[in-house]
Order: sequence, then structure tokens, then C-alpha cells
Amino acid sequence: GDSVTQMEGPVTLSEEAFLTINCTYTATGYPSLFWYVQYPGEGLQLLLKATKADDKGSNKGFEATYRKETTSFHLEKGSVQVSDSAVYFCALKGLDAGNMLTFGGGTRLMVKP
Amino acid sequence: NAGVTQTPKFQVLKTGQSMTLQCAQDMNHEYMSWYRQDPGMGLRLIHYSVGAGITDQGEVPNGYNVSRSTTEDFPLRLLSAAPSQTSVYFCASKGNADTQYFGPGTRLTVL
Repeated sequence: GDSVTQMEGPVTLSEEAFLTINCTYTATGYPSLFWYVQYPGEGLQLLLKATKADDKGSNKGFEATYRKETTSFHLEKGSVQVSDSAVYFCALKGLDAGNMLTFGGGTRLMVKP
Repeated sequence: NAGVTQTPKFQVLKTGQSMTLQCAQDMNHEYMSWYRQDPGMGLRLIHYSVGAGITDQGEVPNGYNVSRSTTEDFPLRLLSAAPSQTSVYFCASKGNADTQYFGPGTRLTVL
């Protein structure tokens, strides 16, 4: 079945550092790929998405590129802020999954001033 | 526009007790779902509904019941709570686009 693997955290960075959170997936065909963010005490919010190979999703300075050849969707940001501290989830929606999302385990990011 | 709301925010139950987690959305979305979030496991789908009167099982449905009598509401029932159901529960809804909107969650502890 479909699965998502993302790097374990926590990831601790200083403000203005470069961020990469790795995400790889297993699915048949071309699933849609998502990054969700969960701030402390809140629900998940969609951060960005990509629906076909080589698409780049971007939002709030974050970017991720849909790489079919490496089945990856790594999240990057050039300069993190303290306000980016949150848990980040990579997810996919498979072709035969209806609207069900398959999530990775989440990566906690802590940014220190 | 409140989006997706959930009540209660926190709940402590004893083994064997029953309760209902409430979920409501005001976006007129047909699709609604319930996920549970456990440490290191991401979110897993419990039940979902594609419209009023229609529900189906997700990945981990055992121990939970749902119903969908209106478009707005999608309650989740625990008939006889077990410690394995200690988790954070999220309700979500989705319109025609690919984006799912999540509620703030209910943190449930079963003793």
C-alpha cells in the first residue's frame, strides 16, 4: 500500500539557517503530494502541495519539488524564523485512495533565536 | 466562517465509558473524515463520509462509530473506551479542491 517516510526529529536550527526536511513515498502511479504544518496546540494546516511530477509547491518561503525519479518531496526554506517552530507532516493522496491522505510520522522543527 | 470546529478540546475517560466527539463545519463540504494522531505515526484515517447519510471505514475503524445526518456535523462515538484509544483526534473536511481543512483536535486520555 501507499506509505510516506520522513526524517525523524526533532530538528533544531538557529534563526536564519537553511532548512531541509526529507520526505520519500511509495505509491503507484502519480499521487498528489502535500506538506502540512501543525503549530503548537492547533490542527494541521496545508502548507503547500504538488499534483504532478516536477511541480514545485511553495508558500511562506517554503518550497518542495515533486521528484518522481527519486519518489521524494523534500521541504526546504532558505532562512527559518522562530515562528516556523512546528511539526511538519508530509502526506500523499493516492490515485485509488479516494480522499484519504497517507501521512508520514511528522518532523518537529525547533528554531532558536 | 468558523471552518472546522471540534468539542471538547480535552477529555479523560475511564476504561469502558462511552463518549461522542463532536465535529462541525460551516463550509458546506460534502467530504468529512476523522483521523487519530499517535506519536511517530502521523495521522491515520478512522472513518469518513462523502455526504449526508453515507459513511465508510478508514484504516483503523475498530472501536469507533460514526453517523452523518447533516452536511455540517460528523460526530465520532466511542462505545466502550479502551486505553489504546488514548490519542489526539482530528476532524477534517474537504470541498471540491484538493485541500483538507482540519479542526483543532480533541486530546483524549483513557485510563
